[in-house]
Amino acid sequence: AQSVTQPDIHITVSEGASLELRCNYSYGATPYLFWYVQSPGQGLQLLLKYFSGDTLVQGIKGFEAEFKRSQSSFNLRKPSVHWSDAAEYFCAVGAFTGTASKLTFGTGTRLQVTL
Amino acid sequence: DADVTQTPRNRITKTGKRIMLECSQTKGHDRMYWYRQDPGLGLQLIYYSFDVKDINKGEISDGYSVSRQAQAKFSLSLESAIPNQTALYFCATSSGADYGYTFGSGTRLTVV
Repeated sequence: AQSVTQPDIHITVSEGASLELRCNYSYGATPYLFWYVQSPGQGLQLLLKYFSGDTLVQGIKGFEAEFKRSQSSFNLRKPSVHWSDAAEYFCAVGAFTGTASKLTFGTGTRLQVTL
Repeated sequence: DADVTQTPRNRITKTGKRIMLECSQTKGHDRMYWYRQDPGLGLQLIYYSFDVKDINKGEISDGYSVSRQAQAKFSLSLESAIPNQTALYFCATSSGADYGYTFGSGTRLTVV
């Protein structure tokens, strides 16, 4: 069965600083990987996804993520954080084989941005 | 209107009561999901459905049941609510071609 680990529960960065949120996955085959963002009181919004091909994927709001098979990682990055990026971020891995098509989510990383 | 609508947004109910959470979507997606979110635990899958005649249990289905009344509607029921079912519940949809989920805004359920 697939699983996702987000080792950082809470991260604080200054506005304008760079950001990297860590995600490690466990899955027996080539994974489908996702990052979602949840603002307070809202549902989850898809930031980006990786299926195959280029291991560096671009998403919305200036985010990018890099798939590293050797490290089983899919870390999310942003060069310069804005105060509006404060939210909770979830990494997810997908199994899409027949009836087993569903996402497994990590426990989330809460991002705080200081001005 | 939102692509995925959940009702109610908030609900307080008493232990032992039956409660239904509803989800409807205008995305035209065939796949629908119910997740539960607890602080520090992320999202856990309760049930999912790939079409009207297909219902599958997720990781934490005990104490829950679902009904797929139409392609666009997927309801979650708690037959006899208990306090540890207090959580934020999300409905999500996806298509077979694009596996990114579209989430509703959630239902905050409190069982007292």
